[in-house]
Amino acid sequence: EAGVAQSPRYKIIEKRQSVAFWCNPISGHATLYWYQQILGQGPKLLIQFQNNGVVDDSQLPKDRFSAERLKGVDSTLKIQPAKLEDSAVYLCASSTNLGTGETQYFGPGTRLLVL
Amino acid sequence: KQEVTQIPAALSVPEGENLVLNCSFTDSAIYNLQWFRQDPGKGLTSLLLIQSSQREQTSGRLNASLDKSSGRSTLYIAASQPGDSATYLCAVRPGNTPLVFGKGTRLSVIA
Repeated sequence: EAGVAQSPRYKIIEKRQSVAFWCNPISGHATLYWYQQILGQGPKLLIQFQNNGVVDDSQLPKDRFSAERLKGVDSTLKIQPAKLEDSAVYLCASSTNLGTGETQYFGPGTRLLVL
Repeated sequence: KQEVTQIPAALSVPEGENLVLNCSFTDSAIYNLQWFRQDPGKGLTSLLLIQSSQREQTSGRLNASLDKSSGRSTLYIAASQPGDSATYLCAVRPGNTPLVFGKGTRLSVIA
């Protein structure tokens, strides 16, 4: 079974530029998550999708971050414009469903450096 | 607001030693607790998931316990190996809301 795929793996941009990350979850997984992990911290949930609908985006900085999952499969996360404090690893995860006992499977992450 | 603390932040042990990683959380009203492993430059791998009604879970050399009333969990690793070197993250699910993670314990097992 293929795991969660993410691209690019690394990205370096200057502040005020835009950047987009892509995630393809495990086939058949209805729930998709985007996390931000700042160096030395645990991951923090940015947004959670169930199929193509948003379940939770309460911690997403909506003035600069956006995400979509139009066909209920793969997803993109965009930052526009980027700030220095956005430097982090962006992790995508998926699970079969929304249940509280569901295991989340994580991708390798995209490491973003904003200069 | 739920907060998760992991102690120690870093740990270095010789190969073969048994070790314990600690996790504490401030609100005992949780659905479950998970332990993850994160290797450098990689995503997280789920190791063990303990439901709120359970006291412990075991997988191979790993044993995780949960004391919900006191807000504590421990991850016990038996006969540690260099391949166990990684960051170990604890996360709790406070109901039908997102996982709340600790900052992790960075483990180095020296051959």
